[in-house]
Amino acid sequence: GAGVSQSPRYKVAKRGQDVALRCDPISGHVSLFWYQQALGQGPEFLTYFQNEAQLDKSGLPSDRFFAERPEGSVSTLKIQRTQQEDSAVYLCASSLVASTNEKLFFGSGTQLSVL
Amino acid sequence: AQKITQTQPGMFVQEKEAVTLDCTYDTSDQSYGLFWYKQPSSGEMIFLIYQGSYDEQNATEGRYSLNFQKARKSANLVISASQLGDSAMYFCAMRELPLGAGSYQLTFGKGTKLSVIP
Repeated sequence: GAGVSQSPRYKVAKRGQDVALRCDPISGHVSLFWYQQALGQGPEFLTYFQNEAQLDKSGLPSDRFFAERPEGSVSTLKIQRTQQEDSAVYLCASSLVASTNEKLFFGSGTQLSVL
Repeated sequence: AQKITQTQPGMFVQEKEAVTLDCTYDTSDQSYGLFWYKQPSSGEMIFLIYQGSYDEQNATEGRYSLNFQKARKSANLVISASQLGDSAMYFCAMRELPLGAGSYQLTFGKGTKLSVIP
């Protein structure tokens, strides 16, 4: 597709369940980012990939969060043993290259609700 | 300290009027980029405008312009001739040069909710 695609659009999980969120970046984009956006707040950085290499995971809130991009295209964000505080919108973004002036293209996000 | 500060949680503007959304930032880097994104209720973040720290002229993109005052570390967004479709959340963001093989991540402010009144 032409844009960044995320699935599912909505996910409801019971506390303690594992979830997997998918991101399909724009074809050919080297950089891929995951962000977490709480209600009424700005996006918070989670992790960054350059091709298949995860170069920065400093924003992951706990070891329950895990992300991968094995072939340098599609990425999956996995949350194990979900907690209520994990409820948020998870945004994926990609950019063609890694530089200060390169804009990010965002997907529509996955809204995760943990009950 | 917050890297991006947006002090206006909400703003109202009359249709066809201009509006300024404030943004101040904090960095010790000489090279950095400033971005504005729009987030409608649908959720997708839409890129509006970019300003590089070394750019001497203020950036413009159609009805959007960026009032860049480097010494004051401010990067205000000006929207001219507001339209009803401009009602959305607006986020200011900054990108600094990473240390080593870092992430070039965007750091966002908390946003300003703009409501355009007919």
